[in-house]
This record gives sequence, structure tokens and C-alpha cells, in this order.
Amino acid sequence: DTAVSQTPKYLVTQMGNDKSIKCEQNLGHDTMYWYKQDSKKFLKIMFSYNNKELIINETVPNRFSPKSPDKAHLNLHINSLELGDSAVYFCASSRVRTELGSSLHFGNGTRLTVT
Amino acid sequence: QKEVEQDPGPLSVPEGAIVSLNCTYSNSAFQYFMWYRQYSRKGPELLMYTYSSGNKEDGRFTAQVDKSSKYISLFIRDSQPSDSATYLCAITDSWGKLQFGAGTQVVVTP
Repeated sequence: DTAVSQTPKYLVTQMGNDKSIKCEQNLGHDTMYWYKQDSKKFLKIMFSYNNKELIINETVPNRFSPKSPDKAHLNLHINSLELGDSAVYFCASSRVRTELGSSLHFGNGTRLTVT
Repeated sequence: QKEVEQDPGPLSVPEGAIVSLNCTYSNSAFQYFMWYRQYSRKGPELLMYTYSSGNKEDGRFTAQVDKSSKYISLFIRDSQPSDSATYLCAITDSWGKLQFGAGTQVVVTP
């Protein structure tokens, strides 16, 4: 039974399009995250929600908008896609916030290719 | 300069060898130290977790933290081809965010 699942697995789209990625966790965790992993494997946090409240909002273009309808779901909508948005996007969750020492559980990523 | 530095490798070792991985970090306020393993086309998974200086052992894996030198290490004994993966260190910074190293790709050859 998958703990953190995200859809779609692969997303190929053209520049200028709008797309969404969905994430769900069945671990009962309070906190969810979006990370971006570039071609050099570097993982960078984008957003974090705790019980549906936005708590981390890194310097990310405002074309990226997260939404958390409930604490088990965190979606990511991207407007006007650009070539530089091509990356693997990982959803993750943690029991509590990471400043309290909680570790992350990751999904298997969404590979976004913008052409 | 990144807050967490990690050599990206690749690091190639023969089966049975000891794999030694390390990261350095910039801020002595960082407090929780983790190692994640990421197989190709998968998400990272937690391998080791510690919050104090010293060694922590789990099977073939040993995590070492030296807070005075701001240096953390992961050792894999008796390495197997199934250990071939990217290993990422992760450290909770003074704002509570988990900062990842760049990841070291490890290849264990039979």
C-alpha cells in the first residue's frame, strides 16, 4: 500500500501550458512538502503545508501555486510552463514539522519535461 | 556556497568493499542529521537518522556525526550490488528546513 503517491508519473507538455500534479499520503502525517530535483540530483524545497496551512514558501516563481484541500492532499499547479521547469517534482510528508526532528517520506516523483 | 556540501561522485567500488561517504555543513546550529538512499527513478528513502555527535550503527550501515568539525559520514560495510544508488545527506537547518546535499552516486560492481 503506497504511503505517498503522486500523479502523474510522467508529464510531457509544451511551453506556455498549465499543468497540475497531485499528491496524497495515507500515513496520517500533519505536514506535506513539494521538492524539486534538478538534473544534477539536487533536491530543493519549494513549499510546505502543516495541517492545510502554508508554512514554507521558498523563492519560487508565482507561476507555481500549491493547494492543500485537506492534510492528506497537496497539489501543485504550474502556470505558463517554461523550459527551465523541466525537473522531477517530489511530494513528501512528515509526521510533524522537520524543525521538531521529523524525517521525510517521499513519493516516487513526477518527471516533468517541457518542450 | 551551499549550506550542505557533498561530493557528487560517482564512487565505484568492488563488491565487499567499504563505502565511505561524507558531507560538510556550514552552521553549527544545525541539529538533525539524516542519510537518504535514492534508487534510480524512485523517491529518496530514509536510511539513517541521528541528532548527536558519535556513531550510530544499523546492520551494515554506520552513521557518524562530528559536530565540532561540522562533518557527517556514512559507511557501508560489505557492500553489495544492491547498494548501488545515490546517497543524500540531509540536515535540519536553524530555520527547521531539511537541507539536502547534492547526493553521491555509488556503484558497487560484482
